[in-house]
Amino acid sequence: GENVEQHPSTLSVQEGDSAVIKCTYSDSASNYFPWYKQELGKGPQLIIDIRSNVGEKKDQRIAVTLNKTAKHFSLHITETQPEDSAVYFCAASPFAGGTSYGKLTFGQGTILTVHP
Amino acid sequence: ETGVTQTPRHLVMGMTNKKSLKCEQHLGHNAMYWYKQSAKKPLELMFVYSLEERVENNSVPSRFSPECPNSSHLFLHLHTLQPEDSALYLCASSQDRGPWPQHFGDGTRLSIL
Repeated sequence: GENVEQHPSTLSVQEGDSAVIKCTYSDSASNYFPWYKQELGKGPQLIIDIRSNVGEKKDQRIAVTLNKTAKHFSLHITETQPEDSAVYFCAASPFAGGTSYGKLTFGQGTILTVHP
Repeated sequence: ETGVTQTPRHLVMGMTNKKSLKCEQHLGHNAMYWYKQSAKKPLELMFVYSLEERVENNSVPSRFSPECPNSSHLFLHLHTLQPEDSALYLCASSQDRGPWPQHFGDGTRLSIL
């Protein structure tokens, strides 16, 4: 089955700096890669996702890059703000079509702290 | 408001009790999921339902029993739980069973005495 490794486990930055979180996956059949943000007392919230036919996707201060050859993908947050402080999870999903389903395998999470 | 509502938000129960967790989605999705989130562990998929049919049981003990009466509602029936079952239980839904974005509720924090 799929295995997703996420690094670092904790990340501390100053407000305004950039933050980068990296994930590697093992199953070359994985073709969907979402990122989730989880704040205290809340469920994970989808912030951005990318599919394997795209190398990069950007949404305002958040971007995700995918390297299929190396089987890794990264989340980039620019101009960080204190409200970006949360736990971030990456995930990977293979999908073969037909009657199968897209099972998400999650990374272990990264605790991001943005200091004012 | 995520469109996925879970009740109760907190639950404390003894090992011999029977209780149920409820999830309701208002997004018109066809697939629903139960996940377990424990401290220092990745989210663990428990069950998947697609159009009210269970398509995945990820080796979950029989003391957890899911029920999906329609595409908007999902239940997790609990009985004879163990202390290690204390965790945050998350419900999610997606448009279909494929690699679509999954939308999560805020979870039920379960404590087993």
